[in-house]
Amino acid sequence: SAVISQKPSRDICQRGTSLTIQCQVDSQVTMMFWYRQQPGQSLTLIATANQGSEATYESGFVIDKFPISRPNLTFSTLTVSNMSPEDSSIYLCSAGQGAISGNTIYFGEGSWLTVV
Amino acid sequence: QKEVEQDPGPLSVPEGAIVSLNCTYSNSAFQYFMWYRQYSRKGPELLMYTYSSGNKEDGRFTAQVDKSSKYISLFIRDSQPSDSATYLCATRGQSGGSNYKLTFGKGTLLTVNP
Repeated sequence: SAVISQKPSRDICQRGTSLTIQCQVDSQVTMMFWYRQQPGQSLTLIATANQGSEATYESGFVIDKFPISRPNLTFSTLTVSNMSPEDSSIYLCSAGQGAISGNTIYFGEGSWLTVV
Repeated sequence: QKEVEQDPGPLSVPEGAIVSLNCTYSNSAFQYFMWYRQYSRKGPELLMYTYSSGNKEDGRFTAQVDKSSKYISLFIRDSQPSDSATYLCATRGQSGGSNYKLTFGKGTLLTVNP
């Protein structure tokens, strides 16, 4: 399995500011994703982070609000831009290696953001 | 209709009980079925993973998939207080491209009382 580290693990942010979350995987992975888990809710996919190209966003999520980078096969960042209290959530990085890892997807510990 | 439905509970059982957690799904294209365990203030941890219909056992845990009724289950035998967590079911389609995206249920909060 892949070990996924996220930074920061938690933060309190001011309204209107932006925060970048980093995700580091301990091995090369073919797939990386970013999910959001709002209080009391399940996980919702924000986007697929594509290595060397623009991320693929799900309905309801846009690049201007959630810019994503993936410069190589082990690292990705998610920025939450111009934050509002509605962005208070857990942001989770996930990764998989396709058939190498039995097609399973693993998650990091999450980044807990509170916007005040 | 949500693609994956899961009773959020909460579910409270005594130690040693058999726990049954269930989800239903609507998309017949889903082929892979997973159960994740999420402890409070932690990320989801992959617990069980099955492909298509059938049963899979791992220690005290058994995952069951019935594709004909679009019903997935997780059974926990001899439940322990350390099993207290939120259990999330997840599904996805065949491998390749966007089909690696997971669709999650809302999660069931389980408490096992000593």
